[in-house]
Amino acid sequence: DAGVIQSPRHEVTEMGQEVTLRCKPISGHDYLFWYRQTMMRGLELLIYFNNNVPIDDSGMPEDRFSAKMPNASFSTLKIQPSEPRDSAVYFCASSSPGSPGANVLTFGAGSRLTVL
Amino acid sequence: AQRVTQPEKLLSVFKGAPVELKCNYSYSGSPELFWYVQYSRQRLQLLLRHISRESIKGFTADLNKGETSFHLKKPFAQEEDSAMYYCALRKGSSGGGADGLTFGKGTHLIIQP
Repeated sequence: DAGVIQSPRHEVTEMGQEVTLRCKPISGHDYLFWYRQTMMRGLELLIYFNNNVPIDDSGMPEDRFSAKMPNASFSTLKIQPSEPRDSAVYFCASSSPGSPGANVLTFGAGSRLTVL
Repeated sequence: AQRVTQPEKLLSVFKGAPVELKCNYSYSGSPELFWYVQYSRQRLQLLLRHISRESIKGFTADLNKGETSFHLKKPFAQEEDSAMYYCALRKGSSGGGADGLTFGKGTHLIIQP
């Protein structure tokens, strides 16, 4: 397995533009997480899904952020409109409660977003 | 709400010296604690978890419920240990599942030659 795959790796956009980040979890993992990493706040959980259903989105900062998981192999995180303060590295991670490695998160390489 | 505190943003030690990265948590229940590591240009990955009670790459961490701590230790640091280290907490749940982890802000460990 290629692990958790995220795209794009880097995104530079202008304030007000829509940004879509993509994630493909590890096959067979039924949990998917979106995290945001900044220098000031560290790693923050934005939202997570179980079996494609959003379970906890209390970390989503504002209505400008939305996430979907239309099927077990794909999720998107969308920011519309984007603002400079959204600049961060966005990580996707997946896990499975089953053994081995129960509840251990496997992270993607991250998407570095810069909003000018 | 649960919280994870890593008091040191940066820790620099010489090769061969002992290392201790501090982690304190606040949570009213019985949490599951983890250490994740991110080496330069690599992905964030699991280093160890308290329920495994094992040593990984010479690192150990003991959960101290009285002091609500989960400090990461290694007796003799090596240059390849230089990385960002994150302590993380998962709320304990008898029903299983995989609630999102709460991370500390991380400690940048630098091992000097």
